[in-house]
Amino acid sequence: AIQMTQSPSSLSASVGDTVTITCRASQDITNDLGWYQQKPGKAPNVLIYAASKLENGVPSRFSGSGSGTDFTLTISSLQPEDFATYSCLQTYSYPYTFGQGTKLDLK
Amino acid sequence: QVQLVQSGPEVKKPGASVKVSCKPSGYTFSDFYIHWVRQAPGQGLEWMGWINPKRGDTHSAQKFQGRVSMTGDPSVSTAYMELRGLRSDDTAVYYCARRDARSPFFRFDFWGQGSLVTVSS
Repeated sequence: AIQMTQSPSSLSASVGDTVTITCRASQDITNDLGWYQQKPGKAPNVLIYAASKLENGVPSRFSGSGSGTDFTLTISSLQPEDFATYSCLQTYSYPYTFGQGTKLDLK
Repeated sequence: QVQLVQSGPEVKKPGASVKVSCKPSGYTFSDFYIHWVRQAPGQGLEWMGWINPKRGDTHSAQKFQGRVSMTGDPSVSTAYMELRGLRSDDTAVYYCARRDARSPFFRFDFWGQGSLVTVSS
């Protein structure tokens, strides 16, 4: 199985900051990667798919980049509603695997 | 609007089985694959497998093969995930999510609200 190593596991930031979360795949997954945001007690929501494509309705302060094994999610100008847990998901090969998640909280 | 409504919480004893339902609305049931993802308390997300409601074919992660069945009933537009031989580490929230297989891009664009399954003696 492809392992997705996500870092950091937790991150403290302030409103207005720019933060970057990374996911590293244990092998080349081309651009078959998505980013999901999850708030406590809620289902995840897709932010980015195909590594860099912004889901409809998601604010443009979210962006994704990368291909191959290294991927990043950048959130610019953090808003209060952005404090949540973020997870990457590879869909290159079975079993699909998530990163362990990054909890972003308010400093 | 699109919704995926899941069945309610369950409490099961070790060794028992659980069947979680997922009833989509707001779109044609057969046009989207249904995937199942679970999340143990305080843990990350874990992908379990999918069903193609149009043809009934499925694929599950090897970890669950032999213990999981994913089915769909087009007559009631409902997908089901049954997990057998429950263990305490199967305690989790189980989510269904849809994926448009017609799209070249992979994304879970709508999710169910989650179904908590607790395994306890």
